[in-house]
Amino acid sequence: GEDVEQSLFLSVREGDSSVINCTYTDSSSTYLYWYKQEPGAGLQLLTYIFSNMDMKQDQRLTVLLNKKDKHLSLRIADTQTGDSAIYFCAVDSNYQLIWGAGTKLIIKP
Amino acid sequence: NAGVMQNPRHLVRRRGQEARLRCSPMKGHSHVYWYRQLPEEGLKFMVYLQKENIIDESGMPKERFSAEFPKEGPSILRIQQVVRGDSAAYFCASSPLKTGTSRTGELFFGEGSRLTVL
Repeated sequence: GEDVEQSLFLSVREGDSSVINCTYTDSSSTYLYWYKQEPGAGLQLLTYIFSNMDMKQDQRLTVLLNKKDKHLSLRIADTQTGDSAIYFCAVDSNYQLIWGAGTKLIIKP
Repeated sequence: NAGVMQNPRHLVRRRGQEARLRCSPMKGHSHVYWYRQLPEEGLKFMVYLQKENIIDESGMPKERFSAEFPKEGPSILRIQQVVRGDSAAYFCASSPLKTGTSRTGELFFGEGSRLTVL
């Protein structure tokens, strides 16, 4: 079946940029999403990108999509302690969402 | 407008007992999805339901697990004769439209039900 892969952990210093990477296998995916899960909570949609775009910016968030390499990234500028969470990459595939395992973002003071 | 409501938030069961997890979707949402999350693993799709219909249960274990979404009332995920391996967080999500057909395909998640099997 289709697959989405992410690193499990990322550690950055407060104020630095965080870049969370994701690779996927389904080349026909139309929408690609980033969800955020704070401790003890459900997931919330952070941002998404349509497959005919290669970049989307939303305040501190920048999403980059490389369709050729099937690579999606989420950049968080000026990372703050409130950004500590697990970030999930998800892509649509045959009317389902295929999820990555999530990247836990750890902020060092 | 209340979000997706799941209860109980925490449930402890002994091996062999039954677990019932409830999910009330957001108002106006007729599509419900159940996911399981194990520690340090992603979300694993279990089942997709619309009112009174199971649309896709390809992620459900063949035995002991069942789900329903009746005409009235919440969606229920039922696990019979629980085993330790069933311990996980179970998330429900709802959507006004079928995933992949809407502009964003956004799913709205509940806060999850954490099942612990002793």
